[in-house]
Amino acid sequence: EAAVTQSPRNKVAVTGGKVTLSCNQTNNHNNMYWYRQDTGHGLRLIHYSYGAGSTEKGDIPDGYKASRPSQENFSLILELATPSQTSVYFCASGDAAGGAHEQYFGPGTRLTVL
Amino acid sequence: QEKVQQSPESLIVPEGAMSSLNCTFSNSASQSIWWYQQHPGKGPEALISIFSNGNKKEGRLTVYLNRASLHVSLHIRDSQPSDSAVYLCAVSRTNAYKVIFGKGTHLHVLP
Repeated sequence: EAAVTQSPRNKVAVTGGKVTLSCNQTNNHNNMYWYRQDTGHGLRLIHYSYGAGSTEKGDIPDGYKASRPSQENFSLILELATPSQTSVYFCASGDAAGGAHEQYFGPGTRLTVL
Repeated sequence: QEKVQQSPESLIVPEGAMSSLNCTFSNSASQSIWWYQQHPGKGPEALISIFSNGNKKEGRLTVYLNRASLHVSLHIRDSQPSDSAVYLCAVSRTNAYKVIFGKGTHLHVLP
């Protein structure tokens, strides 16, 4: 069964601090994604990757960096956290085999920037 | 940029009723449509997908796709309190990495 894990599950950071959110998948999927979910906006794509060593900008990449050092791991980095980045962050993995785009999501990380 | 709109924003139905959720998308080239279910404090989980015009049935779920009107609907027969969740519509194109999600419909099934 597909498995995507995220750490930490909850994080409180200070404005201007650096935050790293980690994601691990054991599905051997090529694609991985970082989303944030906010009331009134739904899920918005921040960065994605289609394999180890690749990162691509999503729809709202400003203020975020991503790193994909291996097939299994995908990190989201906030170099200078701001209160506007307070949100719930979801990582997902998936394969686009045959045009199907089912994504498997992690449990989410709740980030609060004070 | 593909747009996905869902309606209604919130739906309340009694236990045993049919729940009907709607989704419209902006690009007829969108190849795959997925419905996801998200319970509070959890990540979304894929429920059912459809790729071709027409309908698809899985258990209590039926999904209808009309590409000409850029509309897809999800119907949950015999709704249960455990079906209470947010339902997300997601669309993507063949060979595209990105998936576009709607803002969701909050379904409340009253016991």
